[in-house]
Amino acid sequence: GQQVMQIPQYQHVQEGEDFTTYCNSSTTLSNIQWYKQRPGGHPVFLIQLVKSGEVKKQKRLTFQFGEAKKNSSLHITATQTTDVGTYFCAGDLNQAGTALIFGKGTTLSVSS
Amino acid sequence: DAGVTQSPTHLIKTRGQQVTLRCSPKSGHDTVSWYQQALGQGPQFIFQYYEEEERQRGNFPDRFSGHQFPNYSSELNVNALLLGDSALYLCASSLISGAGEKLFFGSGTQLSVL
Repeated sequence: GQQVMQIPQYQHVQEGEDFTTYCNSSTTLSNIQWYKQRPGGHPVFLIQLVKSGEVKKQKRLTFQFGEAKKNSSLHITATQTTDVGTYFCAGDLNQAGTALIFGKGTTLSVSS
Repeated sequence: DAGVTQSPTHLIKTRGQQVTLRCSPKSGHDTVSWYQQALGQGPQFIFQYYEEEERQRGNFPDRFSGHQFPNYSSELNVNALLLGDSALYLCASSLISGAGEKLFFGSGTQLSVL
């Protein structure tokens, strides 16, 4: 079946260091979404990428969608303790946006 | 403007029992999706309801069933509970659109099966 893989599973950084998580799909995606889940919380939508090669920025966060629309990455510049949480990518296989397939997530911890 | 609300927040059941979880979508949203999130895993899609019909279903057995009401709220029912059904059950609402609906998640119901 369709799978969305994320690496690394865990990442620990010192505050101020950069962080990147990678997402790969076994099939071409219509679009990809990124969510953040704080410890004990629920996933919160961060962004959606639709176009091949698309790059979007939100302050210190940079999101990329691969040319083949099969991979994506999230890069955080100069991490802060508020960035702690699990970051999920979620692949959408069809235009109607049903049945997002979530990766297992990358859990980020930040020490000050 | 209320977000997605789920009840109850926590539930403890024993094997073989049945459970009903409830969800009220964000105001203005017409679609409800249910996800199961096991500890340390990503959310897994159970099914989605739109216009009171099951629109799409993930790889879950028939023990998992649902319903959507005219006011767009939804229920998830699980029969014959197994230990492996212990998980966080997340409801997400969205608005049907042409491409890529953004999901708004509720805080979830933590189900423990003993």
